[in-house]
Amino acid sequence: DVKVTQSSRYLVKRTGEKVFLECVQDMDHENMFWYRQDPGLGLRLIYFSYDVKMKEKGDIPEGYSVSREKKERFSLILESASTNQTSMYLCASSLFGTRVGYTFGSGTRLTVV
Amino acid sequence: AQTVTQSQPEMSVQEAETVTLSCTYDTSESDYYLFWYKQPPSRQMILVIRQEAYKQQNATENRFSVNFQKAAKSFSLKISDSQLGDAAMYFCAYRRRETSGSRLTFGEGTQLTVNP
Repeated sequence: DVKVTQSSRYLVKRTGEKVFLECVQDMDHENMFWYRQDPGLGLRLIYFSYDVKMKEKGDIPEGYSVSREKKERFSLILESASTNQTSMYLCASSLFGTRVGYTFGSGTRLTVV
Repeated sequence: AQTVTQSQPEMSVQEAETVTLSCTYDTSESDYYLFWYKQPPSRQMILVIRQEAYKQQNATENRFSVNFQKAAKSFSLKISDSQLGDAAMYFCAYRRRETSGSRLTFGEGTQLTVNP
């Protein structure tokens, strides 16, 4: 069964900490995405990558960075976590140009205290 | 930029009845895909149905069907014979066709409650 795996389901971090959210897919997909989900706002795109070492900003990249050193892994980095980054984070992947949409991970609920 | 709007934050339906969830979108593109995703309490996003803009025929998947009105930029989801397992957050999404790094743009979501 093909999968997108996010390393943590729940995470609690302190303000100012550097936070890494990891995402791994086993489908050889070119594209990978990080979304943030907040009530009433839906899913908003933070960053995406369409190839190894390539990245593009989404709609809300401020306060985040990403890393894609290998095709299967896409990391989201909060350089200095703040309370307004408390949210649900969803990773997804897809083939280039696919008509079938994305495959999603099951999300990481991050709380910054 | 493309936008997707779901104007119903919450909907409810009686078991076995039919419910329609609304979605509108804005784009200057002529070729694109539209999707409905379901997110149950498990948080796993599940693709419910997909519509290709160049196809006039409305997509259908078992109890789920869409009403795609391209000129009006409307894409509603109809769930027939609602079941308790249909209770979830539903997201409408848009994607341009065949471009590198093509991204999904989501609506705000509609929380569907199914009453027994």
